[in-house]
Amino acid sequence: AQSVTQPDIHITVSEGASLELRCNYSYGATPYLFWYVQSPGQGLQLLLKYFSGDTLVQGIKGFEAEFKRSQSSFNLRKPSVHWSDAAEYFCAVGARYGGATNKLIFGTGTLLAVQP
Amino acid sequence: DGGITQSPKYLFRKEGQNVTLSCEQNLNHDAMYWYRQDPGQGLRLIYYSQIVNDFQKGDIAEGYSVSREKKESFPLTVTSAQKNPTAFYLCASRVRSSWDEQFFGPGTRLTVL
Repeated sequence: AQSVTQPDIHITVSEGASLELRCNYSYGATPYLFWYVQSPGQGLQLLLKYFSGDTLVQGIKGFEAEFKRSQSSFNLRKPSVHWSDAAEYFCAVGARYGGATNKLIFGTGTLLAVQP
Repeated sequence: DGGITQSPKYLFRKEGQNVTLSCEQNLNHDAMYWYRQDPGQGLRLIYYSQIVNDFQKGDIAEGYSVSREKKESFPLTVTSAQKNPTAFYLCASRVRSSWDEQFFGPGTRLTVL
């Protein structure tokens, strides 16, 4: 069965430090991968997505992610974190559901805190 | 501006009452989705609809019902049969038959008193 694992429930980094959020997926075919960000009490906003091609994907707000098929990973990175990056981050994989339907399977999220 | 609206933002319900959450989109998307979010559990799919007048159960449909009479609207009813309805509910939409991302509304927080 398809699944997404985000092993870090909570991460704290200092402002200006680099960031890497981990995501591992389980999916039999070529995955469609997404990273979303959620501020408290808000909906989800797409940061970036990977469908095919270049395995290093650039997103909004200075984020990037690298798809590594051999490791079944899609880790999110940012070279210098800003206080406004404090939020919860969700990794998701697109999967077939009920035949032809596409759905997203989400990880449990990583809550990022930024220290001044 | 195109987007998804959900109302109300906060909703309180007494046990035994049904309640309906609104979701409207003006993105001209065919597919719409309802998710439930609980702390530490990520998002779980309740119902989805690919086209008007058609919808399918997701992973946790028990105690919920939906309708899709208009392309723009996909209301969710939380019935009294839902044993633990207190949660944050998110609506999303996407172009049908596409692997493009889902766009999310701002959510409704439902609390059962």
